[in-house]
Amino acid sequence: RKEVEQDPGPFNVPEGATVAFNCTYSNSASQSFFWYRQDCRKEPKLLMSVYSSGNEDGRFTAQLNRASQYISLLIRDSKLSDSATYLCVVRGWNYGGSQGNLIFGKGTKLSVKP
Amino acid sequence: EPEVTQTPSHQVTQMGQEVILRCVPISNHLYFYWYRQILGQKVEFLVSFYNNEISEKSEIFDDQFSVERPDGSNFTLKIRSTKLEDSAMYFCASSESYLAGGGDEQFFGPGTRLTVL
Repeated sequence: RKEVEQDPGPFNVPEGATVAFNCTYSNSASQSFFWYRQDCRKEPKLLMSVYSSGNEDGRFTAQLNRASQYISLLIRDSKLSDSATYLCVVRGWNYGGSQGNLIFGKGTKLSVKP
Repeated sequence: EPEVTQTPSHQVTQMGQEVILRCVPISNHLYFYWYRQILGQKVEFLVSFYNNEISEKSEIFDDQFSVERPDGSNFTLKIRSTKLEDSAMYFCASSESYLAGGGDEQFFGPGTRLTVL
């Protein structure tokens, strides 16, 4: 089973649409969870951390289900500028002694059209 | 807003040559990382560094790789004898803390694109 798994997409949506991304992770000892966005040939940029209680930042809502080892990201009222690849990222597990590094999913590509 | 910087933005080298990639982490951060991303693939962890020593490293980080913090600001990745398969984007990152939920977010630099011919 892959460590962090995401639907690769692409998701093609019109402006104003609501879009949801899902992610699963394999190791239950993972401690921290994040969503990053990555524009073409650029660095990953932190979008938001994901907490067990769920958290919201403007149009973005992230949820974590530890029991199901599942993370989600919801984008409401999508804008053209939201077009990017969205990376699901987990940190910190005991597999092989790893504690601090980030484990990235392959990302889900989002394209928002006018 | 403080940010991680990296130089050069693009490095072209011949196979077998040594390269040094440079990074300046965010000034109050204590934990430093190198990641790489081969074109079209996911971001992969290479090494983490804290208190002037390697904290952990991946299988990719073999004897050809080394890291150093030569002064109070720079953090470098050296590849001793580059191979064609080392061609990738190399990202430096830093974090304030190691503790989950306590500033462990990692912030990435813009990357160095390494091309090995």
